[in-house]
Amino acid sequence: EDQVTQSPEALRLQEGESSSLNCSYTVSGLRGLFWYRQDPGKGPEFLFTLYSAGEEKEKERLKATLTKKESFLHITAPKPEDSATYLCAVEGQFYFGTGTSLTVIP
Amino acid sequence: DTGVSQNPRHKITKRGQNVTFRCDPISEHNRLYWYRQTLGQGPEFLTYFQNEAQLEKSRLLSDRFSAERPKGSFSTLEIQRTEQGDSAMYLCASSLAGTGISSYTFGSGTRLTVV
Repeated sequence: EDQVTQSPEALRLQEGESSSLNCSYTVSGLRGLFWYRQDPGKGPEFLFTLYSAGEEKEKERLKATLTKKESFLHITAPKPEDSATYLCAVEGQFYFGTGTSLTVIP
Repeated sequence: DTGVSQNPRHKITKRGQNVTFRCDPISEHNRLYWYRQTLGQGPEFLTYFQNEAQLEKSRLLSDRFSAERPKGSFSTLEIQRTEQGDSAMYLCASSLAGTGISSYTFGSGTRLTVV
């Protein structure tokens, strides 16, 4: 069964403490994997699309990478404003992971 | 056209009442999706349209739920005989199919509270 799993469920970091969020998938024939950021009470906001294993994309303190089985969202020297829930989804399957709730403490 | 618009932003209703939500997608997007999201969970797929055709429905979409996209533009999601378990954020998203991989653009959602 196609599935998208994110870990950890929640992550608390000190400001400046780098870390990674994981999104693993079992979808066959992946065409694209999306990362989104969601702030409380708002809809998800698009961050990245990754198409093939080995691909990397960066935006400010965020870098997304993709392998054949998982994707990582690396956060370098996070700031409190990076606090949000980060969601991943696969193209064409409509499935989202349950998200990682990130809290960055000043 | 600045994005996906959802109305109302908030809805409080009594159990047993019917409610209807509206979604206006990005005008050139031919796909429209409805998701439901409860606290601490990711969005759960409900249904999607390509133009006016409803192509897939999740088993989460009970017979109390109905969605329409009559002219392939805006969409409505109606919940009949609401239950407390229907309380959630209802998200609409749109995308452009047929031109390669396209990410979803989400609206800000309609938060439903059933009391």
